[in-house]
Amino acid sequence: EAGVAQSPRYKIIEKRQSVAFWCNPISGHATLYWYQQILGQGPKLLIQFQNNGVVDDSQLPKDRFSAERLKGVDSTLKIQPAKLEDSAVYLCASSLVTGKDTEAFFGQGTRLTVV
Amino acid sequence: KNEVEQSPQNLTAQEGEFITINCSYSVGISALHWLQQHPGGGIVSLFMLSSGKKKHGRLIATINIQEKHSSLHITASHPRDSAVYICAGRNKLVFGAGTILRVKS
Repeated sequence: EAGVAQSPRYKIIEKRQSVAFWCNPISGHATLYWYQQILGQGPKLLIQFQNNGVVDDSQLPKDRFSAERLKGVDSTLKIQPAKLEDSAVYLCASSLVTGKDTEAFFGQGTRLTVV
Repeated sequence: KNEVEQSPQNLTAQEGEFITINCSYSVGISALHWLQQHPGGGIVSLFMLSSGKKKHGRLIATINIQEKHSSLHITASHPRDSAVYICAGRNKLVFGAGTILRVKS
């Protein structure tokens, strides 16, 4: 079974530039999560989708971050414009449904460095 | 207060030692993931459990629903076990801060 695919693996940009990350979840997984993991910290949820609808985006900095999952399958996360403090690993995860008995699967992450 | 609290934050062990990492969680979390993250690598799910105990190789995870507490044990630790171990609560996937484990040979 193919896992959660993310691209790119690494990205270096200058501050004030824009960047986009892509995630393709496991086939059939309705729930998709985007996390930001700053070095030395646990992942922080940015946004959770159920199919193509947003379940939780309370911690998404909406002035600069946006995410979409138009067809309920793959998703993109965009930062525009980037700041130095956005340097982090951006993780995508998916699960069959939202709920206690469903295991979540994780992508390898995209490591973003803003200089 | 974070919904998922882990301890210790950092742990250094000698090869062969028995290791325990603890996780406490709040009301509303009814199951836990234990995850492993190697430097530069993605996150790998070790266990997901909502009751009792699970074992895989040298790894054992236990959960006590009444006490809202879970532990991850590593028996006969090895340098290749060095990684960040994270517990994450279900229903919403909420992460602890992680435990950085270093096993010295």
